[in-house]
Amino acid sequence: QQQVKQSPQSLIVQKGGISIINCAYENTAFDYFPWYQQFPGKGPALLIAIRPDVSEKKEGRFTISFNKSAKQFSLHIMDSQPGDSATYFCAAARGSTLGRLYFGRGTQLTVWP
Amino acid sequence: NAGVTQTPKFRILKIGQSMTLQCTQDMNHNYMYWYRQDPGMGLKLIYYSVGAGITDKGEVPNGYNVSRSTTEDFPLRLELAAPSQTSVYFCASSPTRTSGGRSTDTQYFGPGTRLTVL
Repeated sequence: QQQVKQSPQSLIVQKGGISIINCAYENTAFDYFPWYQQFPGKGPALLIAIRPDVSEKKEGRFTISFNKSAKQFSLHIMDSQPGDSATYFCAAARGSTLGRLYFGRGTQLTVWP
Repeated sequence: NAGVTQTPKFRILKIGQSMTLQCTQDMNHNYMYWYRQDPGMGLKLIYYSVGAGITDKGEVPNGYNVSRSTTEDFPLRLELAAPSQTSVYFCASSPTRTSGGRSTDTQYFGPGTRLTVL
């Protein structure tokens, strides 16, 4: 059973465009929602994270939007660049599970010039 | 700091062979994790540890074993390798603190081990 559902599986965006990746969850006990970025041949690395007590968090060109009532959150990449081409994973965790993360299946983003 | 290191980077095993994937972190993190990553399937937790001497199963523990004798090391053992264990394996660590019962910390991943079982 997939605890966090992520879409789309792949995304192609033109340079300068907006990339949007969506995730949904069922467990209302989740209290931490990170996004990880993974380049080919590397391990995932934390990109940005949000808690359910805020609806949006922005860091540079990356923004997480969070909708608690819909149990959905999304990653927006503004002014997408070829260097953003990577696989993006959303994840969720709850405080009682000692840091254990539940990952979505990933979105392969390609930004072409 | 080297962060999280994993060895080997690549390995080919024959069915039925055994091997140990090594993971070491130098950040003095209490929490360590092993994941496997299969194409289009995201990362699945195999085992995790909250400190030396303490380990617990994740989502997909069958066919694997772990031990945690020190804070730094968290090896993953494959016994009787099967083709279904062909995957990329990632080790991660975190200092995980809970603030008021809430998860707070980042997981730091190693570069991975690509394992093929033939």
